[in-house]
Amino acid sequence: NAGVTQTPKFQVLKTGQSMTLQCAQDMNHNSMYWYRQDPGMGLRLIYYSASEGTTDKGEVPNGYNVSRLNKREFSLRLESAAPSQTSVYFCASSVQGDRKAFFGQGTRLTVV
Amino acid sequence: ELKVEQNPLFLSMQEGKNYTIYCNYSTTSDRLYWYRQDPGKSLESLFVLLSNGAVKQEGRLMASLDTKARLSTLHITAAVHDLSATYFCAVDGTQGAQKLVFGQGTRLTINP
Repeated sequence: NAGVTQTPKFQVLKTGQSMTLQCAQDMNHNSMYWYRQDPGMGLRLIYYSASEGTTDKGEVPNGYNVSRLNKREFSLRLESAAPSQTSVYFCASSVQGDRKAFFGQGTRLTVV
Repeated sequence: ELKVEQNPLFLSMQEGKNYTIYCNYSTTSDRLYWYRQDPGKSLESLFVLLSNGAVKQEGRLMASLDTKARLSTLHITAAVHDLSATYFCAVDGTQGAQKLVFGQGTRLTINP
């Protein structure tokens, strides 16, 4: 079982460049999430999707957009990268409701 | 606004000793999750606590939830080196949507 797969694992961007982080899950989960983790901090929710076709803002959505392409895939787009977006990004999925979330391996993004 | 605080943030202990990590949160919730993260790795779900008085145990780790006190504890019994990791608690203040708010994490180091 692959679980939650994120691509790429590492990325360096120049300020102002755009990119899309990809996430796919093979567990037939309804809910998918994007978090960022900054050094010495817990994770903060960027966006989430409760089901295919729906998305909602989390705690830190500014500078990001998302697309729930289908039930399996949830992408995160940075339209104009800024150094403040340097972080490790985690995608997660869960069966909707009170079940544990499964996390991908993370994407380490550096914006210079 | 939901806030989650863990203490201690750093904990160094000897093998064989017992200790407790505390997770306090600021608004009403009966859904709390504990995760483990090894350096440079993703998050692994440890426990899901869904009601007042819930207690879950696996191996040397035991988690409990007191929703009236807005407090969860993660107790480590007879610590072993393999338990060295960062432990996060996360609270769902959205009645099951799993828009989690994470604590800062407790970095646990267990010395032989």
